[in-house]
Amino acid sequence: EPEVTQTPSHQVTQMGQEVILRCVPISNHLYFYWYRQILGQKVEFLVSFYNNEISEKSEIFDDQFSVERPDGSNFTLKIRSTKLEDSAMYFCASISPQGMNTGELFFGEGSRLTVL
Amino acid sequence: RKEVEQDPGPFNVPEGATVAFNCTYSNSASQSFFWYRQDCRKEPKLLMSVYSSGNEDGRFTAQLNRASQYISLLIRDSKLSDSATYLCVVNRPDSGYSTLTFGKGTMLLVSP
Repeated sequence: EPEVTQTPSHQVTQMGQEVILRCVPISNHLYFYWYRQILGQKVEFLVSFYNNEISEKSEIFDDQFSVERPDGSNFTLKIRSTKLEDSAMYFCASISPQGMNTGELFFGEGSRLTVL
Repeated sequence: RKEVEQDPGPFNVPEGATVAFNCTYSNSASQSFFWYRQDCRKEPKLLMSVYSSGNEDGRFTAQLNRASQYISLLIRDSKLSDSATYLCVVNRPDSGYSTLTFGKGTMLLVSP
């Protein structure tokens, strides 16, 4: 079964360092997303991406964050200068053309970011 | 009022019990509603969409009351494998269909 894959599964970094989280969405999917979940908190929308550009972003997605689709498969989230409060699980998700009717997002297993 | 609010839980029930989860949402313009399931330290997965007329999928029944901005999920004959956190999810009506707002979730623990 096709799946969204994310790397790394866990990254520990020092405050102020840059981090890149990588995702390979399901191949025929068109919309891509990053969500995050701080431990014990709800899943929060960060950004959606369609046709090689950001289609929507939340107030969380400030200038420290950026997304890119450098090639036909990878979808990356970059955090330029990490803060302690960036520690969270970051989920990549994608949706199929058919899924636009069902609302079924396919999530990757997540990348846990720990900022020290 | 929070965008999506759920019973805080956890719900501890024995196998075979029936359990109901409640959810309210704040934006009356929301059009799409879902229940997702999240196992501990795992990613969310779609459990079922919620339709205006209510819908059932095996042991699971979802109901929507637009007037009250209320969504429910009923699980009958609980199994040990139903233990998880159940997330009430609503689309953001001011944006794309699939940009979703998640509730904090209600944890269910089913015991033997």
